[in-house]
Order: sequence, then C-alpha cells, then structure tokens
Amino acid sequence: EDQVTQSPEALRLQEGESSSLNCSYTVSGLRGLFWYRQDPGKGPEFLFTLYSAGEEKEKERLKATLTKKESFLHITAPKPEDSATYLCAVQAVYNNDMRFGAGTRLTVKP
Amino acid sequence: GAVVSQHPSRVICKSGTSVKIECRSLDFQATTMFWYRQFPKQSLMLMATSNEGSKATYEQGVEKDKFLINHASLTLSTLTVTSAHPEDSSFYICSAEKGDQPQHFGDGTRLSIL
Repeated sequence: EDQVTQSPEALRLQEGESSSLNCSYTVSGLRGLFWYRQDPGKGPEFLFTLYSAGEEKEKERLKATLTKKESFLHITAPKPEDSATYLCAVQAVYNNDMRFGAGTRLTVKP
Repeated sequence: GAVVSQHPSRVICKSGTSVKIECRSLDFQATTMFWYRQFPKQSLMLMATSNEGSKATYEQGVEKDKFLINHASLTLSTLTVTSAHPEDSSFYICSAEKGDQPQHFGDGTRLSIL
C-alpha cells in the first residue's frame, strides 16, 4: 500500500533560520511527488512536482529534492509569511489518485 | 492560470439537511475532478474521483448514497451531502486536473452540522 510520512509534525523557526522538511514515501511505481502549501482555512496551493530521483526544483526560498525513498523541502532564510502547513503527496503510475502525508506545520517567528 | 473555485466556503445547517457544494475550474477544462475531506490537523483523505459524464469512483468506506457526486461538465462538479448529521461536519476540498498537470485545489467548504 502506498504510504507517505512527513516529519516533523510541527516546526518552529526564527526568521532567517534555515531548515528542511522531510517526506518519506513508499509507492508501487512513482509517477510524481508533489509539494503543496496550505494556509489555515484554505485549499492547498501547488508548489512543485518532482518525477525522478536526483531532480531538484526551486522557488524563491524553497528548494525541493527527491531520492528513491524521500523528498526534502529546504527552506532558506524563512520569513514569517512562509508560515503554513506543507503537504507532500505521491501519485502512482497506475492511477491518478494522490496520497497525502499529514503535513508539517511550519511557524516562523519574527 | 489553473484557478479552481469552490462554493460555498462555509455552511452551517441543521441535522437532516442536504447540502450541495460546487467546484468549478475557471480557466481550464478539467479531465478529472477529485473530492477530499480533511479533519483538523490531519491530511486530505480522498473521497471520490469523477470524470465528466461518467459515474464517480468512490474510495473504500465512502458511502456513495450519502455523498452524491455529479460531474455535469468539464468545468463543474458538485458534491451533495445527503441528510447530513453532526459526524459529517468537516472541511471538504475539491481539486481539478487537466491531463498530466498537477491537481489544483479550491479553497474548501467548512461544513458544520448542528
């Protein structure tokens, strides 16, 4: 069965304090791994798709990397506006469904 | 681009009421739409997948007679929670997908059944 585990569950950082969020996954044939940002009371906002091990993508202070077992979302010099829940999801080659992890709640203090 | 609109954003109603939630892809035609449910501090749980003009595919444990899905066009899907009870209170989120593009999500509907 496909599984996605995110860690830590919650992360509190000072503004400017870089860190990484982890997404470990098992899937029978990976079509894609997705990162989303979700603000309270809102739907998830798409950030990145990664398709194969070794792939990296960047957007502003965020950088996502992928191996065969896990993905990392690196946050460089975060700002308070980066506070949100970050969700990881995997999509298998055999269907369109996405399986989500429980998310990491990031709080960045000024 | 890739905007998904969900309406209403908040519903409060009495037990036994049926509630309809709309999901529209505003600037693209979606090949597939998805309905999720999210409990506080938990992840999104897929309820069903729907394609225009065909019956929805429900996940195991989701009652199709309880959660009616109609996918009338390439830009509109509706979820009706029939005879809602307090245990149906949750955050319902839809998403839409076109081809191999990633799913784009609406802003969710907070359903509270009294």
